[in-house]
Amino acid sequence: QSALTQPASVSGSPGQSITISCTGTSSDVGAYDAVSWYHQHAGKAPKLIIYGVTERPSGVSSRFSGSKSGNTASLSISGLQAEDEGDYYCASFTNSITYVFGTGTTVIVL
Amino acid sequence: QLQLQESGPGLVKPSETLSLTCAVSGVSISTDTYHWGWIRQPPGKGLEWVASILLRGGTHYCPSLKRRLTISMDTSNNQFSLKMTSVTAADTAVYFCTSLINGVPGYSWGQGTLVTVSS
Repeated sequence: QSALTQPASVSGSPGQSITISCTGTSSDVGAYDAVSWYHQHAGKAPKLIIYGVTERPSGVSSRFSGSKSGNTASLSISGLQAEDEGDYYCASFTNSITYVFGTGTTVIVL
Repeated sequence: QLQLQESGPGLVKPSETLSLTCAVSGVSISTDTYHWGWIRQPPGKGLEWVASILLRGGTHYCPSLKRRLTISMDTSNNQFSLKMTSVTAADTAVYFCTSLINGVPGYSWGQGTLVTVSS
């Protein structure tokens, strides 16, 4: 299985909104509403911020939102803050009963 | 509160077998609500799902690693383990153990343990 495709980096100024895409296939992203997103600071374990395409775990800011269209999922961050910097990964359940992660996106707050 | 803690050798020689254990506290690993899994991250690279297990739901493995992997549960010690045979330098990574709820990986994570494959 191939990694899901994400842009290498996305940047924005504080207060702005950004969107990160995650493109897979009809065997993973397009097959299930089972896309999740993770935020990772350098040297730390990732943190789950979106699951089931659009759901936020308890305690995750409403500035984070997810969506999906066809084989592409997206993560939007509104009101960008310095603490939002770091790496973001998408992941999807697949029809092989496995999981596949995205290539990762570095978010830079200008 | 669910907590996970990995333990492992740190350094493994090429062609040998890597063994990792994840100690779980705060919940019984026998609970049907949870699956348990391993995710790894080579230095400077992205995340890779490795394997997962559910007590009554079987095991699932990354296709490219499947022939070298075994994931298992030790309910008496509330921990689960991963064995990877015939390791190479490409297996050098931080290995995270994680919980899955309703099939979603990453609800909780261990701190990660760095495994280096080198002679």
